[in-house]
Amino acid sequence: GAGVSQSPSNKVTEKGKDVELRCDPISGHTALYWYRQSLGQGLEFLIYFQGNSAPDKSGLPSDRFSAERTGGSVSTLTIQRTQQEDSAVYLCASSLAPGASTEETQYFGPGTRLLVL
Amino acid sequence: LAKTTQPISMDSYEGQEVNITCSHNNIATNDYITWYQQFPSQGPRFIIQGYKTKVTNEVASLFIPADRKSSTLSLPRVSLSDTAVYYCLVGRSNDYKLSFGAGTTVTVRA
Repeated sequence: GAGVSQSPSNKVTEKGKDVELRCDPISGHTALYWYRQSLGQGLEFLIYFQGNSAPDKSGLPSDRFSAERTGGSVSTLTIQRTQQEDSAVYLCASSLAPGASTEETQYFGPGTRLLVL
Repeated sequence: LAKTTQPISMDSYEGQEVNITCSHNNIATNDYITWYQQFPSQGPRFIIQGYKTKVTNEVASLFIPADRKSSTLSLPRVSLSDTAVYYCLVGRSNDYKLSFGAGTTVTVRA
């Protein structure tokens, strides 16, 4: 596709339920990132994938959060036993290579808006 | 990442030039300055990046003085569609962990 896509665009769930968020990166981008954005908190890094491996999981807030990437492409972020504080916009980005320079621009998807009731 | 300070909001009118200044007093020698734009209900979008002096692309210009303790993003002749939040980041070009604060909400009016 032309850009990074994410699904669902919106998700409302009840506290304690599990949710899965999907990211389809730009074809050929080996680096994939998950971020969380909430009011008053700005953009928060969660995890980085290079290919199918995740060398940096330092931003995952708790063991309820996990992510995987298969085939060097699609990634899924799973939140188990959701809590109200998990409510946020979850953004996925991809880039040709890891970094933040002009050559390694991270392209973001539209995000999944998660609301935990 | 170096701490940055930018105005919370700015108002402008169509056709005007908008200049957003970001302060980053503790910028390190290897740090670059990068600006992102975010429209409502969309992910952030890379606008421009620079190290010193001036950088210009089809979207904006970035002015960086010699001491690099601040930078100014210049949006020429804004239109209603430039209404967005603009974020200033300072960090190494290989630091992939992006981190945004509140940014500057630019509102362009007709």
